[in-house]
Amino acid sequence: QVQLQESGPGLVRPSQTLSLTCTVSGDSIYSGGYYWSWIRQYPGKGLECIGYIYYSGSTYYNPSLESRVTVSVDTSKNQFSLKLSSVTAADTALYYCARLAVRGVYYFDFWGQGTLVTVSS
Amino acid sequence: QSALTQPRSVSGSPGQSVTISCTGTSSDVGAYNFVSWYQHHPGKAPKLIIYNVNRRPSGVPNHFSGSKSANTASLTISGLQAEDEADYYCCSYAGGYASFGGGTKVTVL
Repeated sequence: QVQLQESGPGLVRPSQTLSLTCTVSGDSIYSGGYYWSWIRQYPGKGLECIGYIYYSGSTYYNPSLESRVTVSVDTSKNQFSLKLSSVTAADTALYYCARLAVRGVYYFDFWGQGTLVTVSS
Repeated sequence: QSALTQPRSVSGSPGQSVTISCTGTSSDVGAYNFVSWYQHHPGKAPKLIIYNVNRRPSGVPNHFSGSKSANTASLTISGLQAEDEADYYCCSYAGGYASFGGGTKVTVL
């Protein structure tokens, strides 16, 4: 069974950089076939896809966040990471990592439990 | 504001059917047959229940079904059960990234 687990600070100061890591077990990021994704859920409930990465390093970012987002992968640790710069209170959300299947399909089949990040001074 | 529009809530009695709509545009829902639906019980990881508009993953009960017409996708829950009470999100490929709906709370009366 594939499992994903988010980790990182729960509190980030405004204008700083939010950094999260997702550790994958039960599958190898390096095996290919899937993209590895970051999604966030606002307090009002809506979900937003932040971006995703292939093991080769190819990335896709939500255009509304592209200027502030970096997603990277560390295949040696079977982890991938999110960095979101210049955060504001509007970036307060529950952050999920998930696996994205794309070969003739497009869906997120395994998700982490999510980690709450609050942006506040 | 979410990219895809869903009703905030729907409700039904046990055994009844409910349908959740998901309205997008000709750039996402209308352009691709890559609509998926997720069931989310708060505090747990979201669960995939429909992909490619109307396909069910292995293990998902067959009282969940999906469809699409033009720019609107729909999820129907037939024979509503108590355990179906949850939040439901639609998602569509939007040409390079995923667009999600704002979520619909399903209440079993």
